[in-house]
Amino acid sequence: QSVLTQPPSASGTPGQRVTISCSGSSSNIGTNYVYWYQQFRGTTPKLLIYRDNQRPSGVPDRFSGSKSGTSASLAISGLRSEDEADYFCAAWEDSLSAVVFGGGTKVTVL
Amino acid sequence: QVQLEQSGPEVKKPGASVKVSCEASGFTFDSYGVCWVRQAPGQGPEWLGWTSPYSGDTHYALSFQGRVTMTSDSSTNTAYLELRNLRSDDSAVYYCARVGLWFGEVDVGQADYWGQGTLVTVSS
Repeated sequence: QSVLTQPPSASGTPGQRVTISCSGSSSNIGTNYVYWYQQFRGTTPKLLIYRDNQRPSGVPDRFSGSKSGTSASLAISGLRSEDEADYFCAAWEDSLSAVVFGGGTKVTVL
Repeated sequence: QVQLEQSGPEVKKPGASVKVSCEASGFTFDSYGVCWVRQAPGQGPEWLGWTSPYSGDTHYALSFQGRVTMTSDSSTNTAYLELRNLRSDDSAVYYCARVGLWFGEVDVGQADYWGQGTLVTVSS
């Protein structure tokens, strides 16, 4: 059972906008920054969003992050077939003194 | 370019220890942190902790305290993870990652470059 809750799957057709939610609590998302990672099957995770809504250089602006209260979201606009991957949210958890990850959301492009 | 090269796969018996290395290149090793994250098959990542090569400071997740040691050697730009008293549920791919900066300060949640991963299998 992950501290951060994500839907197990999300899908969309090419060009659509897909949003992935990440639900937490006051001891993680509510008071600390959220990070998003993308992982293709069998490969290393890649940083997609840091500090709620910042994109590392090289990450397309189709990817955006937002946060409200104890929940965060990752939006993928103009969905492409190469966006098929697992997406994980992460945040510092005060009670565990650790970074915690969500269980991941598998995005499928129909 | 930034690279993190990890040591090879390990097979250990329950109760044993494992030490994984992570050699960094392409950036100033002492200016960043190094964190360790593991991922069991089909599971989400699990953060073990991080270390500062510059100061030697470490911060371990509470669930691993007493079983884990993270060290680094600035002369070889290499970070190490040692996990002791291994159990079968410690079987996973272990990753090192560079901890990114925010205006010069380490941003613990920001793992911006990752090693290729080291498979650790614990089996009797």
